Amino acid sequence: NAGVTQTPKFRILKIGQSMTLQCTQDMNHNYMYWYRQDPGMGLKLIYYSVGAGITDKGEVPNGYNVSRSTTEDFPLRLELAAPSQTSVYFCASSFPEEETQYFGPGTRLLVL
Amino acid sequence: GQSLEQPSEVTAVEGAIVQINCTYQTSGFYGLSWYQQHDGGAPTFLSYNGLDGLEETGRFSSFLSRSDSYGYLLLQELQMKDSASYFCAVKVGNFNKFYFGSGTKLNVKP
Repeated sequence: NAGVTQTPKFRILKIGQSMTLQCTQDMNHNYMYWYRQDPGMGLKLIYYSVGAGITDKGEVPNGYNVSRSTTEDFPLRLELAAPSQTSVYFCASSFPEEETQYFGPGTRLLVL
Repeated sequence: GQSLEQPSEVTAVEGAIVQINCTYQTSGFYGLSWYQQHDGGAPTFLSYNGLDGLEETGRFSSFLSRSDSYGYLLLQELQMKDSASYFCAVKVGNFNKFYFGSGTKLNVKP
């Protein structure tokens, strides 16, 4: 099992550009999450999904969009990148009946 | 809204015991988790307390008091590899939705 994989590992974007952060899990988890972590801070929930076709906003959804067409994939879309979106983005997944969240390695995003 | 407080930094020596506290204010509280994160790495799950009391997993223990809105992580027999950031996170609602604290950086010295 690869667990939770994320691509790319690192990306530099110019202000106003768009990109999609990819997240895939091979553990057949129903629940998936996107977090952002600013330097020296905790994780903030951006969006989460309880199954294919079902998504909901977290604490900081503005500037982001998500979709969940399959159990395995949960991409995060940035439409108009802003410097405030410079952060490390973590994808995670879990079973509904377990509290353990399994995190991917993260994507470091720099918006200049 | 949700509010979690934990110390920003703790220093201890190898072999010692350290306690990292977490106090929270939240609505819809279900439980408290702890995660470890090494510099440049991803968070990894340590423990979850859904009920009051102590949960022990090897050198790590976690405690919850729902009436005091308080929990702690206890690390025993500290090792250099325990140097990392530790985050408490409250579970809110029934969909494994978690809100994280800002983290406590643990420095273990020889």
